[in-house]
Amino acid sequence: QQQVKQSPQSLIVQKGGISIINCAYENTAFDYFPWYQQFPGKGPALLIAIRPDVSEKKEGRFTISFNKSAKQFSLHIMDSQPGDSATYFCAAGGTSYGKLTFGQGTILTVHP
Amino acid sequence: EPEVTQTPSHQVTQMGQEVILRCVPISNHLYFYWYRQILGQKVEFLVSFYNNEISEKSEIFDDQFSVERPDGSNFTLKIRSTKLEDSAMYFCASSEERVETQYFGPGTRLLVL
Repeated sequence: QQQVKQSPQSLIVQKGGISIINCAYENTAFDYFPWYQQFPGKGPALLIAIRPDVSEKKEGRFTISFNKSAKQFSLHIMDSQPGDSATYFCAAGGTSYGKLTFGQGTILTVHP
Repeated sequence: EPEVTQTPSHQVTQMGQEVILRCVPISNHLYFYWYRQILGQKVEFLVSFYNNEISEKSEIFDDQFSVERPDGSNFTLKIRSTKLEDSAMYFCASSEERVETQYFGPGTRLLVL
């Protein structure tokens, strides 16, 4: 019940395209959903996060869409750039769970 | 911008040896965490620490692991008798509040031979 399932495992997008990564969770006690970006050899860095009281949050080219009833959330990267090429992890946490539970990760490659 | 730092960046050890991984969390943060990431896999929670005690630990965090905050700035993870399967990237993280942004350090890559 603690799992967070992430798809796809890998994604190739052309420069300027939209990258979409999806996550699903089971535990309804989760109430904090961050997305992390990780470059090779580096630690995960917070990209954007959402709480279930809103259905969408946008920061620049990055948007989280949240569907509470379906227990799903997704990351949209608009106008994808080669510099966005990295591994993206969704995660879930909450008041009852100080820890973060991570998805499996998506390797995004943006071709110039 | 404040950041979490970790030392060493790489550690090679023999199976059965003890290792200590060190972290300096962001100074005003109160919650500290260790995660690990086996090569190519997801980030896994090990332990959280608040108010000088463990607040939660995963099934991975067995008796060979321990954490300590020996002074006001450092946060350490000790692995008493390393196993081959302990080879992974170990990340320290800290947050200001319990359900808030967790800032991750650059990691320590541990290789057990």
